[in-house]
Amino acid sequence: GDSVTQMEGPVTLSEEAFLTINCTYTATGYPSLFWYVQYPGEGLQLLLKATKADDKGSNKGFEATYRKETTSFHLEKGSVQVSDSAVYFCALMGSSGSARQLTFGSGTQLTVLP
Amino acid sequence: NAGVTQTPKFQVLKTGQSMTLQCAQDMNHNSMYWYRQDPGMGLRLIYYSASEGTTDKGEVPNGYNVSRLNKREFSLRLESAAPSQTSVYFCASSEEFWDSYGYTFGSGTRLTVV
Repeated sequence: GDSVTQMEGPVTLSEEAFLTINCTYTATGYPSLFWYVQYPGEGLQLLLKATKADDKGSNKGFEATYRKETTSFHLEKGSVQVSDSAVYFCALMGSSGSARQLTFGSGTQLTVLP
Repeated sequence: NAGVTQTPKFQVLKTGQSMTLQCAQDMNHNSMYWYRQDPGMGLRLIYYSASEGTTDKGEVPNGYNVSRLNKREFSLRLESAAPSQTSVYFCASSEEFWDSYGYTFGSGTRLTVV
């Protein structure tokens, strides 16, 4: 079945550092790809998404590009802030049939230090 | 504020006790979902309701039952709690079934079974 593999954490960065969180996936067809963020004590919020190959999702300075050739959807941000400290989840939704459900990676804890 | 509301936020149960987790959404969404979140495992789908009047099993349904009470409410019941059900439970909703535009999540119920 479909699966998502995320870079293991935790990740600790200094403020203004560059962030990359790796995400690769296994799926048949053409899944949609998502990044969700979970701030302490809260539920998950959709951060960005891409629904077809070469699409770039972006929001709040975060970006991720849907790379079908490498089956990847890495999350990047040029300059992180303390307020970006959270758990980040990569997820995919299959394109048809029983695969059409939201499958999550294990999550990556990010801590940004001032 | 519009969104998904879960109650209670915290609960401690003894092994063998029963309880119901409540979830309500006020966005007129058709589909609702229950997930559990365990360390290092991301979110796993327990049950879902594609539309009012329907419910189906997800990846990890054993030990749980659900009721889609009306379009707004979707409850999760543990009939005889076990320590393996210690987890954080999230309810989510989406406008359409497996909506690629993303889900809205509640803030979670942290359940401990002793």
